Amino acid sequence: KNQVEQSPQSLIILEGKNCTLQCNYTVSPFSNLRWYKQDTGRGPVSLTIMTFSENTKSNGRYTATLDADTKQSSLHITASQLSDSASYICVVSVFNDYKLSFGAGTTVTVRA
Amino acid sequence: ETGVTQTPRHLVMGMTNKKSLKCEQHLGHNAMYWYKQSAKKPLELMFVYSLEERVENNSVPSRFSPECPNSSHLFLHLHTLQPEDSALYLCASSQDREDRGADNEQFFGPGTRLTVL
Repeated sequence: KNQVEQSPQSLIILEGKNCTLQCNYTVSPFSNLRWYKQDTGRGPVSLTIMTFSENTKSNGRYTATLDADTKQSSLHITASQLSDSASYICVVSVFNDYKLSFGAGTTVTVRA
Repeated sequence: ETGVTQTPRHLVMGMTNKKSLKCEQHLGHNAMYWYKQSAKKPLELMFVYSLEERVENNSVPSRFSPECPNSSHLFLHLHTLQPEDSALYLCASSQDREDRGADNEQFFGPGTRLTVL
């Protein structure tokens, strides 16, 4: 069983609407959690990073939250745009280890 | 060129062919990685190099052979692949190998889309 589970697997939203993606993890000891955006045909690009003591982080219209007690994170996209169509990947790091634990990603499709 | 570059971007090969994927990072990083990304699956770590020394093999089949001639370049040599090896192969680099908090981000290249016939 993967240590990072994301939901939903995919979603379709209308341009201008909001959506929230979920990430649950069991990785331990926790160091940080990143959300990556991966456009089709491109490599993942980091959107936000949160350490244990942070519970929210924003990057423009993207807002990530972290509950380290329940080991849950969310990524909220506000006023979606067509360019938000991509796969969003939750990645968890263990302190002093190079290995990252990746979720399978949520594919977001924004339609006009 | 900036960031992490990969060539070729697309590759179609037969099972008996030999080909190589190339990765170059322009970030002055000390660690480089090869990942395999299959549809709807998490990224799988294949190889890790730190200061040109391989530190992780991760049980990858011998038909995949990495090479790191210097800290800026990474190759993945392919030989006698199987159709199930078709995937997106991503290269990444980071300042150091170990994660020491929020600073050691991995930067990814655009990937090589590999199709094995």
